[in-house]
Amino acid sequence: DTAVSQTPKYLVTQMGNDKSIKCEQNLGHDTMYWYKQDSKKFLKIMFSYNNKELIINETVPNRFSPKSPDKAHLNLHINSLELGDSAVYFCASSQRQGVYGYTFGSGTRLTVV
Amino acid sequence: GENVEQHPSTLSVQEGDSAVIKCTYSDSASNYFPWYKQELGKGPQLIIDIRSNVGEKKDQRIAVTLNKTAKHFSLHITETQPEDSAVYFCAPGGRDDKIIFGKGTRLHILP
Repeated sequence: DTAVSQTPKYLVTQMGNDKSIKCEQNLGHDTMYWYKQDSKKFLKIMFSYNNKELIINETVPNRFSPKSPDKAHLNLHINSLELGDSAVYFCASSQRQGVYGYTFGSGTRLTVV
Repeated sequence: GENVEQHPSTLSVQEGDSAVIKCTYSDSASNYFPWYKQELGKGPQLIIDIRSNVGEKKDQRIAVTLNKTAKHFSLHITETQPEDSAVYFCAPGGRDDKIIFGKGTRLHILP
Protein backbone atom coordinates (compact mmCIF):
# COMPACT_ATOMS: atom_id res chain seq x y z
CA ASP A 1 0.00 0.00 0.00
CA THR A 2 2.85 2.37 -0.92
CA ALA A 3 1.56 5.95 -1.14
CA VAL A 4 3.97 7.29 -3.80
CA SER A 5 5.87 4.71 -5.76
CA GLN A 6 8.45 5.39 -8.40
CA THR A 7 10.37 2.99 -10.62
CA PRO A 8 13.08 2.12 -11.14
CA LYS A 9 14.95 2.71 -7.89
CA TYR A 10 18.33 2.63 -9.64
CA LEU A 11 19.12 3.50 -13.23
CA VAL A 12 22.60 3.27 -14.75
CA THR A 13 22.87 4.24 -18.38
CA GLN A 14 25.27 5.57 -20.95
CA MET A 15 25.49 9.12 -22.21
CA GLY A 16 23.18 9.83 -25.11
CA ASN A 17 20.56 7.27 -24.12
CA ASP A 18 16.87 8.03 -23.50
CA LYS A 19 15.27 6.84 -20.27
CA SER A 20 12.01 7.15 -18.35
CA ILE A 21 11.09 7.18 -14.67
CA LYS A 22 7.56 6.33 -13.65
CA CYS A 23 5.61 7.60 -10.65
CA GLU A 24 2.23 6.68 -9.25
CA GLN A 25 0.35 7.87 -6.17
CA ASN A 26 -2.67 6.24 -4.53
CA LEU A 27 -3.47 9.08 -2.13
CA GLY A 28 -6.03 10.80 -4.33
CA HIS A 29 -3.88 13.95 -4.39
CA ASP A 30 -4.43 16.52 -7.11
CA THR A 31 -0.85 17.74 -7.48
CA MET A 32 2.31 15.84 -8.38
CA TYR A 33 5.91 16.98 -8.65
CA TRP A 34 9.35 16.04 -9.83
CA TYR A 35 12.31 17.17 -7.75
CA LYS A 36 16.02 16.74 -8.44
CA GLN A 37 18.42 16.22 -5.53
CA ASP A 38 22.09 16.75 -6.24
CA SER A 39 25.11 15.36 -4.42
CA LYS A 40 24.93 18.20 -1.84
CA LYS A 41 21.37 17.17 -1.00
CA PHE A 42 19.82 20.32 -2.47
CA LEU A 43 16.21 19.67 -3.53
CA LYS A 44 15.18 21.59 -6.62
CA ILE A 45 11.74 21.57 -8.19
CA MET A 46 11.58 20.63 -11.83
CA PHE A 47 7.90 20.29 -12.65
CA SER A 48 4.51 20.23 -11.02
CA TYR A 49 1.19 19.07 -12.41
CA ASN A 50 -2.25 19.77 -11.03
CA ASN A 51 -4.87 17.31 -12.19
CA LYS A 52 -2.90 16.53 -15.37
CA GLU A 53 -2.20 20.19 -16.14
CA LEU A 54 1.39 21.50 -16.12
CA ILE A 55 1.67 24.22 -13.45
CA ILE A 56 5.39 24.68 -12.90
CA ASN A 57 8.08 24.19 -15.47
CA GLU A 58 11.37 25.30 -14.02
CA THR A 59 14.37 26.12 -16.12
CA VAL A 60 15.36 22.59 -16.96
CA PRO A 61 16.74 21.47 -20.32
CA ASN A 62 14.01 20.57 -22.77
CA ARG A 63 15.53 17.09 -22.88
CA PHE A 64 13.37 16.54 -19.78
CA SER A 65 9.71 16.02 -20.57
CA PRO A 66 7.06 15.16 -17.98
CA LYS A 67 3.88 13.36 -18.91
CA SER A 68 0.76 12.94 -16.81
CA PRO A 69 -1.74 10.49 -18.31
CA ASP A 70 -4.03 10.94 -15.29
CA LYS A 71 -3.83 12.66 -11.94
CA ALA A 72 -2.42 9.56 -10.24
CA HIS A 73 0.57 9.25 -12.57
CA LEU A 74 3.44 11.54 -13.50
CA ASN A 75 6.28 10.16 -15.57
CA LEU A 76 9.58 11.78 -16.48
CA HIS A 77 11.26 11.13 -19.79
CA ILE A 78 14.83 12.22 -20.38
CA ASN A 79 16.38 12.35 -23.85
CA SER A 80 20.07 12.35 -24.75
CA LEU A 81 21.29 11.82 -21.21
CA GLU A 82 24.36 13.75 -20.08
CA LEU A 83 26.82 13.17 -17.23
CA GLY A 84 25.38 16.18 -15.37
CA ASP A 85 21.97 14.53 -15.23
CA SER A 86 23.30 12.11 -12.62
CA ALA A 87 21.32 12.75 -9.44
CA VAL A 88 18.47 11.37 -7.37
CA TYR A 89 15.05 12.21 -8.77
CA PHE A 90 12.08 12.32 -6.43
CA CYS A 91 8.44 12.22 -7.28
CA ALA A 92 6.04 13.75 -4.74
CA SER A 93 2.36 14.52 -4.39
CA SER A 94 0.19 16.80 -2.27
CA GLN A 95 -3.47 17.67 -1.88
CA ARG A 96 -2.73 21.15 -3.14
CA GLN A 97 0.40 23.05 -4.06
CA GLY A 98 2.09 25.11 -1.39
CA VAL A 99 -0.34 24.76 1.50
CA TYR A 100 -0.19 21.06 2.26
CA GLY A 101 2.61 18.67 3.04
CA TYR A 102 4.22 16.61 0.36
CA THR A 103 4.47 12.84 0.26
CA PHE A 104 7.65 11.77 -1.48
CA GLY A 105 8.55 8.58 -3.26
CA SER A 106 11.73 6.76 -2.34
CA GLY A 107 13.68 8.23 -5.24
CA THR A 108 15.40 7.07 -8.42
CA ARG A 109 19.18 7.25 -8.41
CA LEU A 110 20.23 8.00 -11.98
CA THR A 111 23.86 7.46 -12.91
CA VAL A 112 25.01 8.44 -16.37
CA VAL A 113 28.33 6.93 -17.43
CA GLY B 1 10.43 34.53 -5.23
CA GLU B 2 10.82 33.03 -1.78
CA ASN B 3 14.32 33.10 -0.29
CA VAL B 4 14.79 30.32 2.26
CA GLU B 5 17.80 29.91 4.51
CA GLN B 6 18.41 27.14 6.99
CA HIS B 7 20.93 27.14 9.84
CA PRO B 8 23.09 25.43 10.79
CA SER B 9 24.05 23.33 7.78
CA THR B 10 25.52 20.68 10.07
CA LEU B 11 24.74 19.99 13.71
CA SER B 12 26.26 17.43 16.06
CA VAL B 13 24.67 16.84 19.45
CA GLN B 14 25.24 14.32 22.19
CA GLU B 15 22.57 11.66 22.49
CA GLY B 16 19.96 12.82 24.96
CA ASP B 17 20.62 16.52 24.36
CA SER B 18 18.35 18.87 22.39
CA ALA B 19 18.77 20.07 18.81
CA VAL B 20 17.38 23.24 17.23
CA ILE B 21 17.33 24.07 13.53
CA LYS B 22 16.20 27.47 12.28
CA CYS B 23 14.63 28.41 8.97
CA THR B 24 14.25 32.00 7.75
CA TYR B 25 12.11 33.00 4.80
CA SER B 26 11.39 36.18 2.88
CA ASP B 27 7.80 35.91 1.63
CA SER B 28 5.46 37.48 4.18
CA ALA B 29 2.52 35.76 2.46
CA SER B 30 3.80 32.32 3.53
CA ASN B 31 1.38 30.65 5.93
CA TYR B 32 2.40 27.00 5.95
CA PHE B 33 5.60 25.87 7.65
CA PRO B 34 6.62 22.20 7.42
CA TRP B 35 9.72 20.28 8.37
CA TYR B 36 10.89 17.17 6.54
CA LYS B 37 13.30 14.45 7.64
CA GLN B 38 15.34 12.55 5.08
CA GLU B 39 17.07 9.36 6.17
CA LEU B 40 19.81 7.77 4.12
CA GLY B 41 18.51 6.23 0.92
CA LYS B 42 14.95 7.46 1.43
CA GLY B 43 12.76 10.30 0.32
CA PRO B 44 12.02 13.28 2.60
CA GLN B 45 9.22 12.63 5.04
CA LEU B 46 6.96 15.26 6.59
CA ILE B 47 7.47 15.13 10.35
CA ILE B 48 5.70 18.23 11.63
CA ASP B 49 4.05 21.34 10.25
CA ILE B 50 2.43 24.50 11.52
CA ARG B 51 0.13 27.11 10.06
CA SER B 52 0.41 30.82 10.64
CA ASN B 53 -2.47 31.06 13.08
CA VAL B 54 -0.51 28.96 15.59
CA GLY B 55 2.75 29.85 17.34
CA GLU B 56 3.89 26.42 18.47
CA LYS B 57 3.06 22.79 17.87
CA LYS B 58 4.41 19.71 19.62
CA ASP B 59 4.41 16.04 18.74
CA GLN B 60 6.18 13.94 21.36
CA ARG B 61 9.88 14.86 21.17
CA ILE B 62 9.61 17.27 18.27
CA ALA B 63 8.16 20.76 18.16
CA VAL B 64 7.96 23.63 15.72
CA THR B 65 7.84 27.27 16.75
CA LEU B 66 6.91 30.15 14.47
CA ASN B 67 7.79 33.83 14.62
CA LYS B 68 5.85 35.32 11.74
CA THR B 69 6.92 38.88 12.51
CA ALA B 70 10.58 37.97 12.21
CA LYS B 71 9.87 35.47 9.41
CA HIS B 72 11.49 32.43 10.88
CA PHE B 73 10.44 29.10 12.29
CA SER B 74 12.42 26.46 14.13
CA LEU B 75 12.47 22.71 14.64
CA HIS B 76 13.18 21.52 18.17
CA ILE B 77 14.10 17.92 18.95
CA THR B 78 14.43 16.98 22.61
CA GLU B 79 16.04 13.89 24.15
CA THR B 80 17.74 13.09 20.88
CA GLN B 81 18.21 9.47 19.88
CA PRO B 82 20.44 7.77 17.27
CA GLU B 83 17.48 7.43 14.90
CA ASP B 84 17.18 11.22 14.78
CA SER B 85 20.37 11.32 12.68
CA ALA B 86 19.23 12.51 9.25
CA VAL B 87 19.02 15.55 7.00
CA TYR B 88 16.23 17.98 7.88
CA PHE B 89 14.60 20.39 5.45
CA CYS B 90 12.26 23.31 5.93
CA ALA B 91 9.91 24.29 3.08
CA PRO B 92 7.78 27.37 3.84
CA GLY B 93 4.81 27.83 1.56
CA GLY B 94 1.26 28.97 1.42
CA ARG B 95 0.62 30.61 -1.88
CA ASP B 96 -0.53 28.57 -4.82
CA ASP B 97 3.00 28.59 -6.03
CA LYS B 98 6.07 26.44 -5.90
CA ILE B 99 7.60 25.97 -2.51
CA ILE B 100 11.32 26.26 -2.02
CA PHE B 101 13.16 23.81 0.16
CA GLY B 102 15.94 24.97 2.45
CA LYS B 103 19.39 23.59 1.73
CA GLY B 104 19.09 21.09 4.56
CA THR B 105 20.68 20.52 7.97
CA ARG B 106 22.64 17.35 8.56
CA LEU B 107 22.04 16.27 12.15
CA HIS B 108 24.48 13.85 13.77
CA ILE B 109 23.61 12.28 17.11
CA LEU B 110 26.80 11.35 18.94
CA PRO B 111 26.80 8.27 21.22
